[in-house]
Amino acid sequence: DGGITQSPKYLFRKEGQNVTLSCEQNLNHDAMYWYRQDPGQGLRLIYYSQIVNDFQKGDIAEGYSVSREKKESFPLTVTSAQKNPTAFYLCASSSPGGGYGYTFGSGTRLTVV
Amino acid sequence: QQQVKQSPQSLIVQKGGISIINCAYENTAFDYFPWYQQFPGKGPALLIAIRPDVSEKKEGRFTISFNKSAKQFSLHIMDSQPGDSATYFCAARDSFSGGYNKLIFGAGTRLAVHP
Repeated sequence: DGGITQSPKYLFRKEGQNVTLSCEQNLNHDAMYWYRQDPGQGLRLIYYSQIVNDFQKGDIAEGYSVSREKKESFPLTVTSAQKNPTAFYLCASSSPGGGYGYTFGSGTRLTVV
Repeated sequence: QQQVKQSPQSLIVQKGGISIINCAYENTAFDYFPWYQQFPGKGPALLIAIRPDVSEKKEGRFTISFNKSAKQFSLHIMDSQPGDSATYFCAARDSFSGGYNKLIFGAGTRLAVHP
């Protein structure tokens, strides 16, 4: 079945560490996105990518970095510069041929310990 | 200009009742309005969507009502069931986002349906 796979489901980070969240899709979608979700808040856009080797900052990109070397993969690195990284991170993808709706992964819950 | 305002923040409905969630926007460049349903610990899933040339869309117990002149749209869940208990997000697509398919999300509504 086609879908988006996020790993790991749970991730613990020590202060000062960089961590990388994985996002892989087999939907053949061109566009991919990273969102952050905090309790009681909506979805805030971190980065998005329309095509391979191209990505744009979203509303809260500071302290995060991404790469898009393959169409299927859009990993997110949470750097030590992100002062409050504890959150639920969601990856999504979309394709013009499938309408404008996003398909989301199941998320990664990152906790700073 | 980019905001989508969603209300209420939380909603409690009795089983069999109607759940109504409202969203409002200002940007007239928005051209697609989806609703997402999210269960705890899961990613949001597309529930139903509407385009601004249609005033209403119904899929099973879920209906979107769209008022273009008022720049408002709402989700109605008829015969609400405990299994509908989830967080619901409205969203809007900005057609002027430089070729990117970019959705702007509301803050979410936590719905609890009591048996």
